[in-house]
Amino acid sequence: QVQLQESGPGMTKPSETLSLTCTVSRYNINSGYFWAWVRQPPGKGLEWIGSIYHSGGTYYNPSLKNRVSISIDASKNQFSLNLTSVTAADTAVYYCARTLVAGSPIEYWGQGALVTVSS
Amino acid sequence: QSVLTQPPSVSGAPGQRVTISCTGTSSNIGAGYDVHWYQQLPRTAPKLLIHGNSNRPSGVPDRFSGSKSGTSASLAITGLQAEDEADYYCQSYDTSLGGAKVFGGGTKLTVL
Repeated sequence: QVQLQESGPGMTKPSETLSLTCTVSRYNINSGYFWAWVRQPPGKGLEWIGSIYHSGGTYYNPSLKNRVSISIDASKNQFSLNLTSVTAADTAVYYCARTLVAGSPIEYWGQGALVTVSS
Repeated sequence: QSVLTQPPSVSGAPGQRVTISCTGTSSNIGAGYDVHWYQQLPRTAPKLLIHGNSNRPSGVPDRFSGSKSGTSASLAITGLQAEDEADYYCQSYDTSLGGAKVFGGGTKLTVL
């Protein structure tokens, strides 16, 4: 069973960059699949942020495309999220996940990490 | 505002049947993309409940079923149990604005 675990600062200042890392266990990230980030503001619904293929190809939510980047470090079996110029509206629980292309479901989820944007 | 539309809440008594609708458009569900459903218990990550419109992953009780028609999909839960009280989300893919996985706004199921 694939396991995913988010890590990173629980608080980020407005206008700065939010950075999170997801460590994947029990599956070699180079073996395939897309590795994704999804967020959920407190009390609200889910929003897909984007995903990266094991070879490095990326797909981003058009609404966040100008501020988001996802990268992969296969040597550590990790992938990371950077979200620039954050505001209070970016406060959310951030989930890392495993999925496939386009219309596929999200099979495995991390437990989630709350990131609060506040000065 | 979510791309897919779900009712904010539904409720039912133990043993009853409830349905949750998910309405999309011609750029997502109506374009032929599959609909998937997730169950989110309080303070936990979402869990895949139905994939490919009507398929249950291993371990999901057959009390849960999904269907799709045109630009809409539905999740049905029969024999309602107290442990089913949770938030439910539908998900598909939208081709507008470059393409993205999209979710419904979520439906809170209350077991009376």
